[in-house]
Amino acid sequence: DGGITQSPKYLFRKEGQNVTLSCEQNLNHDAMYWYRQDPGQGLRLIYYSQIVNDFQKGDIAEGYSVSREKKESFPLTVTSAQKNPTAFYLCASSIPLPSIPGQWNQPQHFGDGTRLSIL
Amino acid sequence: AQTVTQSQPEMSVQEAETVTLSCTYDTSENNYYLFWYKQPPSRQMILVIRQEAYKQQNATENRFSVNFQKAAKSFSLKISDSQLGDTAMYFCAFMKGSGGGADGLTFGKGTHLIIQP
Repeated sequence: DGGITQSPKYLFRKEGQNVTLSCEQNLNHDAMYWYRQDPGQGLRLIYYSQIVNDFQKGDIAEGYSVSREKKESFPLTVTSAQKNPTAFYLCASSIPLPSIPGQWNQPQHFGDGTRLSIL
Repeated sequence: AQTVTQSQPEMSVQEAETVTLSCTYDTSENNYYLFWYKQPPSRQMILVIRQEAYKQQNATENRFSVNFQKAAKSFSLKISDSQLGDTAMYFCAFMKGSGGGADGLTFGKGTHLIIQP
């Protein structure tokens, strides 16, 4: 079955350490996204990528980095510059909407998430 | 920039009752899409229902329906005959229609819905 796989499910980071969260999709979607979820908050966009080798900052990109070397993969690195990394991270993918209303038929698909905690 | 506001942090109703979750949004866009997502304790994000802004007819999906008031920028979700499995966080989300919508979703802070037996 097609879907989005995030790994690991749980991740622990030591102070000053960079960690990388994996996101792989086999849906043949062009666009991929990373969201962060904190308690009492909705999801906030960290980075997104519309095509291979291209990505843009979202609303809360500071302290994070991404790469998009393959269509299927969009890893997120939480760097030591991110001072409050404890959160639930969700990866998503979609086919970009057409510019003509009425021809869109695909929702944004989400992975099962990675919970990152500080040791 | 877009904003999405959900003014009810938590709601609780009895099983089989009808419940309405509120959502308002602010945007200067004319072409956009609105969504309700459900997040059960498993943390999986599940699309409940979606609405295209250019459509005047309110979307329905089985027990779920929306009241979309474009002029008022309001997008409420009604759950009829509520079931215990409806217990979850519910998020309202906005997506621009321009640029293919590929720059992501803007979410509200969510409403925790509890269905009591």
